[in-house]
Amino acid sequence: GQQLNQSPQSMFIQEGEDVSMNCTSSSIFNTWLWYKQEPGEGPVLLIALYKAGELTSNGRLTAQFGITRKDSFLNISASIPSDVGIYFCAGLNYGGSQGNLIFGKGTKLSVKP
Amino acid sequence: NAGVTQTPKFRVLKTGQSMTLLCAQDMNHEYMYWYRQDPGMGLRLIHYSVGEGTTAKGEVPDGYNVSRLKKQNFLLGLESAAPSQTSVYFCASSYGAGGLRGYTFGSGTRLTVV
Repeated sequence: GQQLNQSPQSMFIQEGEDVSMNCTSSSIFNTWLWYKQEPGEGPVLLIALYKAGELTSNGRLTAQFGITRKDSFLNISASIPSDVGIYFCAGLNYGGSQGNLIFGKGTKLSVKP
Repeated sequence: NAGVTQTPKFRVLKTGQSMTLLCAQDMNHEYMYWYRQDPGMGLRLIHYSVGEGTTAKGEVPDGYNVSRLKKQNFLLGLESAAPSQTSVYFCASSYGAGGLRGYTFGSGTRLTVV
């Protein structure tokens, strides 16, 4: 089946640093989504991308839909302690598996004050 | 504005016991999903439903059953719990086909099978 490779698996950074993470696939996706999961909670949608090359921001977060449609990137600028959590990418291919989202395994972000 | 509500939040079962996890959404979403989350494995789809009265298998359906008798509710059943089913279970719902606008998740049910 389709798989997403998300990297890095975990990151330990200092408050104020910028963060970059990415997701790659061997398959083409029509939609890329980025979620954040805080401890003890369910994932919450951060950014949705619908077109190849699209660059979308949500506050300090910026995500890009790769030109090849096989990858996506998430950047967090000037990290703060509340950025801690697990970040998941998810891809959607309209033609496959009833259009269900495929999730990456997540990037666990830790921020040291 | 409740969104997606899961009950219970925590449960401990003995091997062989049965239980039902309830998911309720108040957003009039057509699509509903059950996922399990295990360390290092991400979110894996168990079963899903594209509308009232319909269900389908996901990636890891074995040992689970589901029912969608009402549009707003999606039930996940474990007939004979096994330690391998120890996990955090998330329900989600979506508005459009395939979750084009993303999924709304519940806050999870942490299940331990001893």
